[in-house]
Amino acid sequence: ETGVTQTPRHLVMGMTNKKSLKCEQHLGHNAMYWYKQSAKKPLELMFVYNFKEQTENNSVPSRFSPECPNSSHLFLHLHTLQPEDSALYLCASSQGQRSGLAKNIQYFGAGTRLSVL
Amino acid sequence: KQEVTQIPAALSVPEGENLVLNCSFTDSAIYNLQWFRQDPGKGLTSLLLIQSSQREQTSGRLNASLDKSSGRSTLYIAASQPGDSATYLCAVSIAGNMLTFGGGTRLMVKP
Repeated sequence: ETGVTQTPRHLVMGMTNKKSLKCEQHLGHNAMYWYKQSAKKPLELMFVYNFKEQTENNSVPSRFSPECPNSSHLFLHLHTLQPEDSALYLCASSQGQRSGLAKNIQYFGAGTRLSVL
Repeated sequence: KQEVTQIPAALSVPEGENLVLNCSFTDSAIYNLQWFRQDPGKGLTSLLLIQSSQREQTSGRLNASLDKSSGRSTLYIAASQPGDSATYLCAVSIAGNMLTFGGGTRLMVKP
């Protein structure tokens, strides 16, 4: 148990559906991240939030919309997805940018396995 | 753009062997390098973090080295066990604490 919880663990959705992924961390961290892990591709950073402010959007299509209401919760809202968006979506958290980058270990949740039909 | 490469992509060894996993990166301007373990269908577990000013870190049977100038890191696993079977990922931290990951090495340790 890493202290980062993701729900749901599995999600199947049609291309016209709207769904949300949820991430919650109980580590007192101030930075949270969304990553995408596709088959046969390296993990890709999608979004970074530091102290609830989005500090990085790694050229992610607008059909993915993140939300960070507080330092403990992170959402990824999904709409009008494509089959190629099927992947494992991982959330992570760390102490945060102000804590010193060199020691900033990221702790990962177990991920949400998303299938888009 | 930072690129991270891991060799080999897959490795199968008998139990008890010592082994080395390799990671290389193209831009030496990193803050740190992390090694992670990922079990099938699960998230990532951080194994070791080496700061850019350090040369190596050790945890139990694991030892990670970093040669920033040549853009290389190795993860040494001593006396491998079947429980070590997993995918091992290398990631480098650049500006804004963004991690760039390699493709991973899938390790199988046979009893």
